[in-house]
Amino acid sequence: DIQMTQSPSSLSASVGDRVTITCRASQSVNSFLNWYQQRPGKAPKLLIYSTSSLQSGVPSRFSGSASGTDFTLTISSLQPEDFATYYCQQGYSTPITFGQGTRLEIK
Amino acid sequence: QVELVESGGGLVKPGGSLRLSCVASGFTFSDHYMSWIRQAPGKGLEWISYISSGPGTNIKYADSVMGRFTISRDNAKNSLYLQMNSLRAEDTAVYYCARASSTVVTQPFDYWGQGTLVTVSS
Repeated sequence: DIQMTQSPSSLSASVGDRVTITCRASQSVNSFLNWYQQRPGKAPKLLIYSTSSLQSGVPSRFSGSASGTDFTLTISSLQPEDFATYYCQQGYSTPITFGQGTRLEIK
Repeated sequence: QVELVESGGGLVKPGGSLRLSCVASGFTFSDHYMSWIRQAPGKGLEWISYISSGPGTNIKYADSVMGRFTISRDNAKNSLYLQMNSLRAEDTAVYYCARASSTVVTQPFDYWGQGTLVTVSS
């Protein structure tokens, strides 16, 4: 199984900050890496797919990139609605696996 | 607009069974891989099963549910199902159905239902 390890597990930041969340895959997932946002009590929402493609309707302050098996989600300028939990997910091989999540909190 | 609506969750005793349903609308259901994903209280997301588009001949399960859970689909009814048998306390979770964005299994989950809560307890 491919293990997905996110860091940090939690993060405190302020509105307007630039934030980076990292996801490391235990082996190659090619470019099949996706990012989701989950607000409390809600279903996850797709933000970024195939490493760096922005899902329709998602603000351009969200971006994704990769270096080898390390993947990064960046929020360029935090907005109040961005405080949530973020998950990475690999779709390269079965079982499909998620990172453990990164909780983004207001400082 | 795309909509996925799960139902069938509830309280069940250990060893019991439950069948979850997910009704889809707003898109051609048969064109998409579909998955069940669960989230235990306060925990992260766990993919548990997918079924391929069309007749659904390609099916995979997570090891944690293999042999106990069965995924199926009825394209005529735009519906996805999860038959859960031999339930355990650790199966307690919110269960989401999710659509893969195309006919390819590697594609992301672009739409999710609101989830249905399954509680396994005596």
